Amino acid sequence: KAGVTQTPRYLIKTRGQQVTLSCSPISGHRSVSWYQQTPGQGLQFLFEYFSETQRNKGNFPGRFSGRQFSNSRSEMNVSTLELGDSALYLCASSPTGSGLWNTGELFFGEGSRLTVL
Amino acid sequence: AQSVTQLDSHVSVSEGTPVLLRCNYSSSYSPSLFWYVQHPNKGLQLLLKYTSAATLVKGINGFEAEFKKSETSFHLTKPSAHMSDAAEYFCVVTKGDSWGKLQFGAGTQVVVTP
Repeated sequence: KAGVTQTPRYLIKTRGQQVTLSCSPISGHRSVSWYQQTPGQGLQFLFEYFSETQRNKGNFPGRFSGRQFSNSRSEMNVSTLELGDSALYLCASSPTGSGLWNTGELFFGEGSRLTVL
Repeated sequence: AQSVTQLDSHVSVSEGTPVLLRCNYSSSYSPSLFWYVQHPNKGLQLLLKYTSAATLVKGINGFEAEFKKSETSFHLTKPSAHMSDAAEYFCVVTKGDSWGKLQFGAGTQVVVTP
């Protein structure tokens, strides 16, 4: 079974630009979550989608947005990039996101490393 | 509110010696607790989880953790370190009704010396 796939793996942008990152979850998983990882702030929750609906959102400005498609694939977008947005962005999927059938385990992709110059 | 505190940012051990990674949690309800590991340039992998069943939890690669409610701790241990254990380890807490939203500790970097 293929794991969580994130594209692109590496990208470089300049301040003011926007970026879109993509995540394909494990087949059959309906929940997708996004995390930002930086040396200073560590791992921070961005948002979670389940069945195309945003179910949870972290404390990030409105420049950070996401969506989920009917096939469970997800994208996140960051507009008007700032230097501080440089980070590793991790996507994770799980079968249901909650409920009796979920073990609570998230399956992470290898991340998209964004550098903002 | 919920949070986790990892008491050591770096731990250095010799191969073959025990590993102890300390984690304290704060939660206003019964938490679900996890340990994840991240090898360099890789995503995170679940080591083990506590979800209100047995307080001593066994995970992959010989790791185990004990949930101690009285001490609000969830320390991770391994009897004998291997070179492949060199990685960053994260203690994580979440509410049981929202698995996708994890609260991560700051991480503990483990170095294993020959």
